[in-house]
Amino acid sequence: EAQVTQNPRYLITVTGKKLTVTCSQNMNHEYMSWYRQDPGLGLRQIYYSMNVEVTDKGDVPEGYKVSRKEKRNFPLILESPSPNQTSLYFCASRPLSGEQFFGPGTRLTVL
Amino acid sequence: SQQGEEDPQALSIQEGENATMNCSYKTSINNLQWYRQNSGRGLVHLILIRSNEREKHSGRLRVTLDTSKKSSSLLITASRAADTASYFCATAIIQGAQKLVFGQGTRLTINP
Repeated sequence: EAQVTQNPRYLITVTGKKLTVTCSQNMNHEYMSWYRQDPGLGLRQIYYSMNVEVTDKGDVPEGYKVSRKEKRNFPLILESPSPNQTSLYFCASRPLSGEQFFGPGTRLTVL
Repeated sequence: SQQGEEDPQALSIQEGENATMNCSYKTSINNLQWYRQNSGRGLVHLILIRSNEREKHSGRLRVTLDTSKKSSSLLITASRAADTASYFCATAIIQGAQKLVFGQGTRLTINP
């Protein structure tokens, strides 16, 4: 089944404790993205990657890192999480031009 | 206004009625896509319309695109309670790689 998976689905952590949210897709898509969704602000892109070893900042990259060592994986790293990073996070993938497939979301709470 | 703004922000109708949602955008686009999101879940792609197309159908969905007015509409006919969700338009703009810019969505409630 074609899908984007994310883990964990739910995470409660404390300020400053490094965390990684994994993302994997099985559709051989070149393009992968991370978004955060906040009430009243819609979906905002954090980082994106056009292919292996090619990543770039989206609209709200501060406080986040990503890597793309393999085509299928695109982890999101929060080196020192802060409460303003409490949000619902989505990973997504697509071919360079076409419909986008979203993961199920990761609800992150930073205390 | 932002690229990709939906109107209305919220819509509540009776089951069986038609629901229309609108999307306006500012810059030239390659295509425009509509997505649906059930509460707290990932977005699901509904339909893609290219900049050289004016209308597209998929089941009970009808999408129109007017590039001269920089606007699109999504019509859901014969609505069902299961259509209750948030609907987002996303414009594919040329910015290096093709970038998808999402609006803030329309919250649709279908009352039984």
